Amino acid sequence: KQEVTQIPAALSVPEGENLVLNCSFTDSAIYNLQWFRQDPGKGLTSLLLIQSSQREQTSGRLNASLDKSSGRSTLYIAASQPGDSATYLCAVLSGGSNYKLTFGKGTLLTVNP
Amino acid sequence: GAVVSQHPSWVICKSGTSVKIECRSLDFQATTMFWYRQFPKQSLMLMATSNEGSKATYEQGVEKDKFLINHASLTLSTLTVTSAHPEDSSFYICSAPTRKLGRTDTQYFGPGTRLTVL
Repeated sequence: KQEVTQIPAALSVPEGENLVLNCSFTDSAIYNLQWFRQDPGKGLTSLLLIQSSQREQTSGRLNASLDKSSGRSTLYIAASQPGDSATYLCAVLSGGSNYKLTFGKGTLLTVNP
Repeated sequence: GAVVSQHPSWVICKSGTSVKIECRSLDFQATTMFWYRQFPKQSLMLMATSNEGSKATYEQGVEKDKFLINHASLTLSTLTVTSAHPEDSSFYICSAPTRKLGRTDTQYFGPGTRLTVL
């Protein structure tokens, strides 16, 4: 059974700081890994998707890496801004033909002005 | 990009009533849709996989008679919470995958429906 763990559970940083969020998964047989952002009481916004054959993806100030063999991914946020404050969720797609998206519990990020 | 909508965005109902939540893919067809539930400060938990033209597949521990799923068309799936009770109060989110390069899928999520059962 796939399990996804995110560390830390919460993180508070001053504006402008670079930061790293961590995600690990137990079964390396994944199709892809996705990072999402969730604002309070809202749905999910997809930030980055990394296919299993890729090592990293970049979008603006965000960079996500994937080490499938070790079951790890990181989300790097450069020059953080107060608007980045949200919960960041990591999810892996796995499960053979009946694929499932398994989520971590998320990291609650607060960027202080 | 692909868009998935949900209706209603929030609903308050009395205990014992049934509530229907709709999930629509607005600019693409989805033969499969997924329904998730999220309790406060918890992650999303997959409840069931909705398949167009066939029965839904439910995750272990999810009562199929309690959570009725109907995937009536390639753009619409509905989740009905029957005889809702306060413990069913949660945030319900649907998603639909699109195929890119015919190989792997990007998941697009709806904005969620907040259900409160009094």
